[in-house]
Amino acid sequence: DAKTTQPTSMDCAEGRAANLPCNHSTISGNEYVYWYRQIHSQGPQYIIHGLKNNETNEMASLIITEDRKSSTLILPHATLRDTAVYYCIVRGGQGAQKLVFGQGTRLTINP
Amino acid sequence: GAVVSQHPSRVICKSGTSVKIECRSLDFQATTMFWYRQFPKQSLMLMATSNEGSKATYEQGVEKDKFLINHASLTLSTLTVTSAHPEDSSFYICSARDYAGPFGGYTFGSGTRLTVV
Repeated sequence: DAKTTQPTSMDCAEGRAANLPCNHSTISGNEYVYWYRQIHSQGPQYIIHGLKNNETNEMASLIITEDRKSSTLILPHATLRDTAVYYCIVRGGQGAQKLVFGQGTRLTINP
Repeated sequence: GAVVSQHPSRVICKSGTSVKIECRSLDFQATTMFWYRQFPKQSLMLMATSNEGSKATYEQGVEKDKFLINHASLTLSTLTVTSAHPEDSSFYICSARDYAGPFGGYTFGSGTRLTVV
């Protein structure tokens, strides 16, 4: 699976949009981009995933560049409860099984 | 949505004893489950892939005789830490894949904090 690179930490003000970048320059055509987050001492929580097109759900938006070498997770109106470690993961296509976690970005939402 | 239940949430055991952690898929059948370990301030490290009815696939460097995985049914996988030592103290997390799920199906349990004294 392709490796991902994320900033170690980020800060964002409450109520503002949080934009978390992820580089995955070695991604191949059938690999998906997944985003999970982990709040302290809990299991990871699914946020969103995509292949080529931008995606949006009730939690966030995922913007994938046209060359697919990077993506951005957008939390449109960050709250204090969004403080967590955010993981960007690239997983292979059909038949690929495991999710391999990188170091993630520690996002702190400030009041 | 898919729910994965992990039990116990916390366990303290004496050095040299064995500890079993259970991972259950509550509303779906999981032919594949995953076990991770996480040390403080570190990311999740995949230990093994558990396949129903067959042997688990362990990641490089993970001792299969120390971390026994059993996936005897479509809703239950267990991880047994044998002859536990203080260095095995960690946060263990399981994940199950619901192939019919809406997001590629990877759902995580809430984790088990193991402390070996």
